[in-house]
Amino acid sequence: QVQLVQSGTEVKRPGASMKISCKASGYIFTTFLIHWLRQAPEQGLEWLGRIDPSNGHTHYSRHFQNRITVTSDTSTSTVYMELSSLSSEDTAIYYCAREIPETTWFDPWGQGVLVTVSS
Amino acid sequence: DIVLTQSPGTLSLSPGERATLSCRASQSVNTNYLTWYQQKRGRAPRVLIYGTSRRATGIPDRFSGSGSGTDFTLTISGLEPEDSAVYYCQQYGSALYTFGQGTNLEIK
Repeated sequence: QVQLVQSGTEVKRPGASMKISCKASGYIFTTFLIHWLRQAPEQGLEWLGRIDPSNGHTHYSRHFQNRITVTSDTSTSTVYMELSSLSSEDTAIYYCAREIPETTWFDPWGQGVLVTVSS
Repeated sequence: DIVLTQSPGTLSLSPGERATLSCRASQSVNTNYLTWYQQKRGRAPRVLIYGTSRRATGIPDRFSGSGSGTDFTLTISGLEPEDSAVYYCQQYGSALYTFGQGTNLEIK
């Protein structure tokens, strides 16, 4: 079955960077887009950016444009998201999610990874 | 950015009743790009409705979506205890994906 499995919980200091991963299985990796989203504690959902693993093309939310980098490794069917200059406001559960190109909806989602930014 | 405002914030209903959840956009939304998700506590969201009114695979026909322009609705008929969750609408427009703040549906 289609699965997105994310890396584990992280704790970071303010000003540091984080890099989390999302490993896909159960489908042809290069035929779907992978997105990154987040959900702050008891808050709603926020979209960060996406990648097309077939060509590495990325598209980022302008709210994160200057500090997000999303990459993919087709040899391991894994997508990575790096976020720099972390602050306490970046404390959230980070999800990866799959999109059929041009449908604009996400299915399935990874299990989520909690990233805590604290001094 | 297109802002989505969901109402009510919390809805408390009994099993068997009908729930009507609203999602209002600050600008017109392409109906092909309006999606509804269900999120249960401690779980990732799952898609219910895409393209305003199309049910995702495996979603029972108790769930239905409608709307156009700036006003969209998710209706859940014959509520069951398992429907207790937070429901989010989501849109794509102007190169950005945005979500509403969610409606918390409680089943008494």
